[in-house]
Amino acid sequence: GDSVTQMEGPVTLSEEAFLTINCTYTATGYPSLFWYVQYPGEGLQLLLKATKADDKGSNKGFEATYRKETTSFHLEKGSVQVSDSAVYFCALIDSGNTPLVFGKGTRLSVIA
Amino acid sequence: EAGVVQSPRYKIIEKKQPVAFWCNPISGHNTLYWYLQNLGQGPELLIRYENEEAVDDSQLPKDRFSAERLKGVDSTLKIQPAELGDSAVYLCASSSPGGDPGELFFGEGSRLTVL
Repeated sequence: GDSVTQMEGPVTLSEEAFLTINCTYTATGYPSLFWYVQYPGEGLQLLLKATKADDKGSNKGFEATYRKETTSFHLEKGSVQVSDSAVYFCALIDSGNTPLVFGKGTRLSVIA
Repeated sequence: EAGVVQSPRYKIIEKKQPVAFWCNPISGHNTLYWYLQNLGQGPELLIRYENEEAVDDSQLPKDRFSAERLKGVDSTLKIQPAELGDSAVYLCASSSPGGDPGELFFGEGSRLTVL
């Protein structure tokens, strides 16, 4: 079945450091890929998405590129802020009738 | 626009007791989801509704879990009786008709602790 594998956390970075959170996927079809973020005390919210190979999703300074050849969708940000501290979830959906499948999440802590 | 509203935010019960969670989706969102999130894990789908019809409940443990969405708007998820292993966060989400099926709007969740 479909699955998503994320790098283990927690990840602790200093402010202005470069962030990469790795995500790889397994899917039977041609999935759409997503990053969701959960800030402390809040519900999950969509951060960015990509629907086909080589698409780059971006939002709030975060980027991720859909790499079909490596089945990856790594999340990057050039300079993190304390306010980026959250749990990040990589997810995929294989078709309109299949559910959104999430990875286990990666907790990011950014210290000033 | 109001977001997805869930209640209660926190619930502590003893094992074998019943518990119910309520969800009010975003107005106009006809698809409603209940997800289970165990500590340190990603959300896992329990049930998906299209209007009042449950179109995917394959992961719902039907011996003790039940859900309803009688008028195609609010939904209730019930556990009876609760077990220690049911301690988790229960997430409700909704999505808009014709929107990206991967773009879900989540509530803040209901955290259940079973003692």
